[in-house]
Amino acid sequence: QKEVEQDPGPLSVPEGAIVSLNCTYSNSAFQYFMWYRQYSRKGPELLMYTYSSGNKEDGRFTAQVDKSSKYISLFIRDSQPSDSATYLCAMRSDYKLSFGAGTTVTVRA
Amino acid sequence: EPEVTQTPSHQVTQMGQEVILRCVPISNHLYFYWYRQILGQKVEFLVSFYNNEISEKSEIFDDQFSVERPDGSNFTLKIRSTKLEDSAMYFCASSAGQPTDTQYFGPGTRLTVL
Repeated sequence: QKEVEQDPGPLSVPEGAIVSLNCTYSNSAFQYFMWYRQYSRKGPELLMYTYSSGNKEDGRFTAQVDKSSKYISLFIRDSQPSDSATYLCAMRSDYKLSFGAGTTVTVRA
Repeated sequence: EPEVTQTPSHQVTQMGQEVILRCVPISNHLYFYWYRQILGQKVEFLVSFYNNEISEKSEIFDDQFSVERPDGSNFTLKIRSTKLEDSAMYFCASSAGQPTDTQYFGPGTRLTVL
């Protein structure tokens, strides 16, 4: 079983739609959960950082963590063409980040 | 806004040659990392570095790899004898005073081994 599982998509949605992304994990030691956005041939850029179960909201972005189910989600409301990117979930228990495969999202104008 | 920088943006080398990838972390950060991403694959952890020593490394980080902070600002990754399978994007990251602080990534160096 992979440590972090993420459906690579691709996911295509019309502008204004809600984008729903998720990851599952197997390592109970993970305590910190992140979502990064990565544009083509660029470095990952942090979007959301959470360390407890529940919801965290930041503008159009909402991150959810359910530690009991080992499941995390990212929702993007009112999606824009500029949100088109690859979204990576990442998690950690100590120094290193363990990444999902990334989901490629296209928001159509 | 402070950012992590990396040079060069693209490095082409012949198999068996040594390469050094350079990074300038954010200035007050204390923890430094290297990750790599082979084309079409996930970002993979290579090594973390704190207080002038390796704090954790992955199975990928074998004897061909080494890291150094030579002058208090740069953080380098050396690959001693490159292989074709070392072709990847290499990302440097840094975080502030705690290992659980956010890791900020540089733009990456694309390494092509011919």
